[in-house]
Amino acid sequence: QKEVEQDPGPLSVPEGAIVSLNCTYSNSAFQYFMWYRQYSRKGPELLMYTYSSGNKEDGRFTAQVDKSSKYISLFIRDSQPSDSATYLCAMSAYLTSYDKVIFGPGTSLSVIP
Amino acid sequence: DTEVTQTPKHLVMGMTNKKSLKCEQHMGHRAMYWYKQKAKKPPELMFVYSYEKLSINESVPSRFSPECPNSSLLNLHLHALQPEDSALYLCASSHASSGRLNEQFFGPGTRLTVL
Repeated sequence: QKEVEQDPGPLSVPEGAIVSLNCTYSNSAFQYFMWYRQYSRKGPELLMYTYSSGNKEDGRFTAQVDKSSKYISLFIRDSQPSDSATYLCAMSAYLTSYDKVIFGPGTSLSVIP
Repeated sequence: DTEVTQTPKHLVMGMTNKKSLKCEQHMGHRAMYWYKQKAKKPPELMFVYSYEKLSINESVPSRFSPECPNSSLLNLHLHALQPEDSALYLCASSHASSGRLNEQFFGPGTRLTVL
């Protein structure tokens, strides 16, 4: 079993739709849960992170973590064509002076105008 | 300045060549990372430097040799690579604070092709 699993898509939605992206993981030591967005030919950029279980909202984005089910989600409301990118979930267990981050395989999202 | 820069953007090299990738940041970050990313795959961690000391080597073959000459610079020296080493090489940097999440800022990457 892979440490982090994510539906690779591709996912295609009309503009204005609500998008749900999900990841499951197997390592119960993970404490920090992140979502990165990667545009084509660019490096990943951190969208949101959450600590432990719960919800976090930032504008059109909501991140949810359910540690009991080892399941995390990212919701995008009112999706825009500019949201078209690959979304990578990522997790970290140790908080030392550097972070060893484990990435999921990524979901490719296209928002159609 | 919240930018991580990487040079070159593209690199084509033969299996007998020696080349280097360069990464630079001026955000005062003391942790720097090298990742390898194949097409449609997630980034895979290769090396981590913390306070200019190598902290993690993810069992990377010796044909990849990292170097951190100072807190702003990170190099990756390449020698005798194989065609399967062709990939996007990403550099990232972060603060180096214990007990909290350190956001990693990524550069745009160097697209490497080994012939």
